[in-house]
Amino acid sequence: GIQVEQSPPDLILQEGANSTLRCNFSDSVNNLQWFHQNPWGQLINLFYIPSGTKQNGRLSATTVATERYSLLYISSSQTTDSGVYFCAVEYPGGYNKLIFGAGTRLAVHP
Amino acid sequence: DTGVSQDPRHKITKRGQNVTFRCDPISEHNRLYWYRQTLGQGPEFLTYFQNEAQLEKSRLLSDRFSAERPKGSFSTLEIQRTEQGDSAMYLCASSPGQAAGELFFGEGSRLTVL
Repeated sequence: GIQVEQSPPDLILQEGANSTLRCNFSDSVNNLQWFHQNPWGQLINLFYIPSGTKQNGRLSATTVATERYSLLYISSSQTTDSGVYFCAVEYPGGYNKLIFGAGTRLAVHP
Repeated sequence: DTGVSQDPRHKITKRGQNVTFRCDPISEHNRLYWYRQTLGQGPEFLTYFQNEAQLEKSRLLSDRFSAERPKGSFSTLEIQRTEQGDSAMYLCASSPGQAAGELFFGEGSRLTVL
C-alpha cells in the first residue's frame, strides 16, 4: 500500500521562529490533507491540498504531486502551534479514505 | 455546531466488558469512517460506510469489533470482550462523498481498558 513519511519526527522551536514540515508519499494521490492534533486529541483541518499552494494566516502549504511531496510552512510560531501535525493522503479509488503519516511533534517554547 | 460529534468522549472499562461508541457525522455527509489511534502513532483506518452500507473493513477490525450505520446517519462502533490492547482513541470522520473530498474528524472517544 501507499507509504506516507513525515519529517522531522520532532521539532523544538523558540516562539517567533519559522519552520518547514515535510510529507513524502510513495504513489499518486487524489487528495492530501494536513491536520493539527490539539492536546485533547481532535484533528483540526489545516489544508486540503492535492496540488498547488495555499495560505491561511501564518500557515501555508505546497504540494508537488508529480514529485510526491508536500510541505507545511509555519511562520512566526506561537506556543499555541504546539502539538502534532499529520499529513494524510487518499490514493486513487480510495473513497476518500486517508492514510496517515506518523506525524511531526512540534513544541514551541516562549 | 454542525461538526462531527462523538460520544462518549472518555470511557474507562474493565477487561472483558463490552463498550459502544456513537458518531454523528456532519449532516448530509454520506461517507463515514472509523479510525483508531494509539499513543504516539498516526490514526489507522478501521472501517468505512457509504450511506448505510459498510464497504470496507481493515484487518485491524477483529471479530470482536462491529460497526453499524443503520439509517445512513449516525454510526456505532461496538467492541466486545475488551482487552487491554484495545485502549486507544477512536476517531470518527465524515466526508460529502465527492470523488476527492475533504474529511472532517470528530473529537474522538478515548477508551481505557483496565
